[in-house]
Amino acid sequence: DQQVKQNSPSLSVQEGRISILNCDYTNSMFDYFLWYKKYPAEGPTFLISISSIKDKNEDGRFTVFLNKSAKHLSLHIVPSQPGDSAVYFCAANTNNNDMRFGAGTRLTVKP
Amino acid sequence: EAGVAQSPRYKIIEKRQSVAFWCNPISGHATLYWYQQILGQGPKLLIQFQNNGVVDDSQLPKDRFSAERLKGVDSTLKIQPAKLEDSAVYLCASRLQGANSPLHFGNGTRLTVT
Repeated sequence: DQQVKQNSPSLSVQEGRISILNCDYTNSMFDYFLWYKKYPAEGPTFLISISSIKDKNEDGRFTVFLNKSAKHLSLHIVPSQPGDSAVYFCAANTNNNDMRFGAGTRLTVKP
Repeated sequence: EAGVAQSPRYKIIEKRQSVAFWCNPISGHATLYWYQQILGQGPKLLIQFQNNGVVDDSQLPKDRFSAERLKGVDSTLKIQPAKLEDSAVYLCASRLQGANSPLHFGNGTRLTVT
């Protein structure tokens, strides 16, 4: 049941450049989307979210874009910093609070 | 605000043994989730509680997994008997009641079944 897909298992970028992480979903009932960041040996931590009534949400260096017609979500990190190196999970929520996760993308930011 | 507490952090058992995990959610969070995360995959929902009632357990392997949240606060997840493929990190999460709010995760319990 792969309702949320992150097709890039890894991404490497140079410090100071933009990181773009992508996510696709199949369930049109999803109405709330989130990005989580995970360091080794820790649980995922919430990063940023967006409601389906919006197409963009910005929080500091992090911006999430939602394209409902394409069922596509992306996270932009500008500028990228070495401390951003982690696994990033895309998640989507239905109105019964059932949250589904993608497989994750490992981001490496090189100094 | 204290976060979601889970114990133990690590557990190693042999196949066919039983194991239990404990979770204490953030105070006031009505909804509690157990997720299983196998290495290289995203978290997979096992069970969702709203207060002390089960909302969704459709992906819980009920022949060997059980979970309870008797007083609507703490929760336990049990596996009996364990199989090799149960090796994973078991994550507990909680959220305020209602949609459009993030889940808050504990640090998980890493289970190794040998």
